[in-house]
Amino acid sequence: DVKVTQSSRYLVKRTGEKVFLECVQDMDHENMFWYRQDPGLGLRLIYFSYDVKMKEKGDIPEGYSVSREKKERFSLILESASTNQTSMYLCASSPHLMRETQYFGPGTRLLVL
Amino acid sequence: AQRVTQPEKLLSVFKGAPVELKCNYSYSGSPELFWYVQYSRQRLQLLLRHISRESIKGFTADLNKGETSFHLKKPFAQEEDSAMYYCALNNNAGNMLTFGGGTRLMVKP
Repeated sequence: DVKVTQSSRYLVKRTGEKVFLECVQDMDHENMFWYRQDPGLGLRLIYFSYDVKMKEKGDIPEGYSVSREKKERFSLILESASTNQTSMYLCASSPHLMRETQYFGPGTRLLVL
Repeated sequence: AQRVTQPEKLLSVFKGAPVELKCNYSYSGSPELFWYVQYSRQRLQLLLRHISRESIKGFTADLNKGETSFHLKKPFAQEEDSAMYYCALNNNAGNMLTFGGGTRLMVKP
């Protein structure tokens, strides 16, 4: 059974702080994704990675960066958190040949004050 | 550019009533469409995909290329169907899914 874990369920940060969100998957999946989930807007892709050290921008990459140093781990970084980054952040992974079947983590609810 | 639209943010029905969650898409190529579901306090998970032409938990969805729609249907709603439903499109050109805004389904007893 695929397991995708995220480092925190809830996080409260102050404006300007640097924030790290970690995601780990245990199924040797090549692809990993970061989304933010907002009411009425659905899921919007921030970044994804199809291999170690590889990354591609999604629909809303501004204000975010990512790091994939190991296959199982994909980190989302907010260099200087802002209040408009308050959201639910979802990580997902998928195997290379079944890209559309994404397995999601439980989410991290981030509040930026 | 591809786009997925779910016109209803909230759909409320009584138990046993038919339910239809609407999804429209815009994409110039040949899309693959999916429905994902998120039950309360659970993770988002794949419900069904159009290429499988399967029925999952009594739900079906037919891809209508003429109307660019992929509506999710169930003839008799159950209380346990209450959840957030997202329609998603895969453009086959890469690894990315485009999600709609989601519809919250509430099934009342």
